[in-house]
Amino acid sequence: SQQGEEDPQALSIQEGENATMNCSYKTSINNLQWYRQNSGRGLVHLILIRSNEREKHSGRLRVTLDTSKKSSSLLITASRAADTASYFCATAGSSYKLIFGSGTRLLVRP
Amino acid sequence: GAGVSQSPSNKVTEKGKDVELRCDPISGHTALYWYRQRLGQGLEFLIYFQGNSAPDKSGLPSDRFSAERTGESVSTLTIQRTQQEDSAVYLCASSSGGLQETQYFGPGTRLLVL
Repeated sequence: SQQGEEDPQALSIQEGENATMNCSYKTSINNLQWYRQNSGRGLVHLILIRSNEREKHSGRLRVTLDTSKKSSSLLITASRAADTASYFCATAGSSYKLIFGSGTRLLVRP
Repeated sequence: GAGVSQSPSNKVTEKGKDVELRCDPISGHTALYWYRQRLGQGLEFLIYFQGNSAPDKSGLPSDRFSAERTGESVSTLTIQRTQQEDSAVYLCASSSGGLQETQYFGPGTRLLVL
């Protein structure tokens, strides 16, 4: 069963706008990771945030983590058409498994 | 350096046939993972290898699914007597082996069972 739930399921924005995606999970975690997937194929790792971190930045990406609410958000600033993809959060607990959410499909309109 | 590669890219088979999917992890990565992704859904964990051993096979959907890894490199996922519900993208990932390390994914094999 899936641990994470992303919302919204789909998001359509204009190029230049910011995109925010949220992820909620159920059990305690060691870290939370965000991945991007183009055209239903391989996933690309974007960013990892550990359970003792609250915020992390990487380029135009900003990730927050609230372990008390068991939630995370991914913000993409100044979006580009090339950011169009599906975005997944994945949680890592005490084992080797990554538990993936169902993803947010982002469409950035030129 | 080279990333994770998978073959074939696409596979169409008839119900009841066996298929074999291959994964070549990043050189030196001791951990290897198989996932299944049905259309429009997230990834479903299947099996994990640390070296040549698979500590946890509980994600395999049925006894028709099996996987092996030899020489701490290539892994094959075999699906016997394929069913239409096996249609999905099968993704392989590798990591340096530590728990919760970043996993690097291959492009996947898209399997269609007619």
